[in-house]
Amino acid sequence: AQRVTQPEKLLSVFKGAPVELKCNYSYSGSPELFWYVQYSRQRLQLLLRHISRESIKGFTADLNKGETSFHLKKPFAQEEDSAMYYCGGMDTGRRALTFGSGTRLQVQP
Amino acid sequence: GAGVSQSPSNKVTEKGKDVELRCDPISGHTALYWYRQSLGQGLEFLIYFQGNSAPDKSGLPSDRFSAERTGGSVSTLTIQRTQQEDSAVYLCASSLYGPPGNTIYFGEGSWLTVV
Repeated sequence: AQRVTQPEKLLSVFKGAPVELKCNYSYSGSPELFWYVQYSRQRLQLLLRHISRESIKGFTADLNKGETSFHLKKPFAQEEDSAMYYCGGMDTGRRALTFGSGTRLQVQP
Repeated sequence: GAGVSQSPSNKVTEKGKDVELRCDPISGHTALYWYRQSLGQGLEFLIYFQGNSAPDKSGLPSDRFSAERTGGSVSTLTIQRTQQEDSAVYLCASSLYGPPGNTIYFGEGSWLTVV
């Protein structure tokens, strides 16, 4: 069963516009959630994890247990944010990190 | 090496042939993962190795797929009797320890095309 859902395959915004990449999960208990990013011709890399409660490259993500969501947000998109974004997670006791199907973000000039 | 290394970077094979994909994790990393990345399917978990524990094979799509990890380091993913639907990028990743809390580092992937 899909544990992480990213409903949007493609999100296109203009430079300077706010961005929200949606992620919903179905893990039980206290899951650990991540966002990974893949820029063109680069490796997949960690962007941020919810336990760190940090902001990386202007992106933030808050775990909302009531809505079982972990949406990725940035107030002002930049062209260099264009990439493929994957939401991932694991539930308590599970050993492997699983991912959603990914959302491609296109930031237009 | 500095990062996760995978070989070959590209492989074209005929339907029905067997293929082996290799992964060299970051030195000292005890956890190793294989994922498959394809259009429309996103990142699909295949198998996970952690130290000397039995691997988590729950993501392997069929018995044509197998993987081993020798000496707690190098891993080989084997696909037998390849099918066209096996065409994808196969990603290997490693982390210092298993989850939770450890950053997973990915390789550049092996692009498999089955013709």
